[in-house]
Amino acid sequence: EIVMTQSPGTLSVSPGERATLSCRASQSVSRNVAWYQQRPGQAPRLLIFGASTRATGVPARFSGSGSGTEFTLTISSLQSEDFAVYYCQQYNKWPAYSFGQGTKLEIK
Amino acid sequence: QVQVVQSGPEVKRPGASVKVSCKTSGYTFTSYYMHWVRQAPGQGLEWMGLINPNGGVTSSAQNFQDRITMTRDTSTSTVYLELSSLRSDDTAVYYCARNFNGFDFWGQGTLVTVSS
Repeated sequence: EIVMTQSPGTLSVSPGERATLSCRASQSVSRNVAWYQQRPGQAPRLLIFGASTRATGVPARFSGSGSGTEFTLTISSLQSEDFAVYYCQQYNKWPAYSFGQGTKLEIK
Repeated sequence: QVQVVQSGPEVKRPGASVKVSCKTSGYTFTSYYMHWVRQAPGQGLEWMGLINPNGGVTSSAQNFQDRITMTRDTSTSTVYLELSSLRSDDTAVYYCARNFNGFDFWGQGTLVTVSS
């Protein structure tokens, strides 16, 4: 099983500032990584797939990068609606598409 | 437009089984795998398994292999998750999600509470 490890567990950032979230895979997953946003009481929402491609309707302030085992989600200028929990997921090793444990992005 | 709608909340006794439905519309049902993911209260996302609606082949996480059954009904574009021998730690929100470049469409979630 591929283990996805996210850091930090909680990130405190002020509105308008940049947030950088990290995700590390226990073995190479190529670029088969997705990022999701989950607000309280809601289902996860796909933000990024293929490590760096924004899903339909996702604002340009969200960007993803990385390959192999190291991945990053960057939110360039935080808006109030961006404070949520973010998960990375690998879909390289079929069929067990494992998730990271999540990073909670909170208002500083 | 794509829609994924799950069945309502369930309360079950330990040892019982639960069956959750996930009805899809707005796309060709047999063209996309469907996955099941669960989330215990205050916890992260846990992948449970998948079904290929085209033929019904399934695969599940080792944690659930002896307790999980996934099926589909192509006439209603619906997939089902059945989990047996429920325990208190199965209390969670259960989600279905369509697989396309990650999981692009999710159901709203079904809360399953296991309590005596």
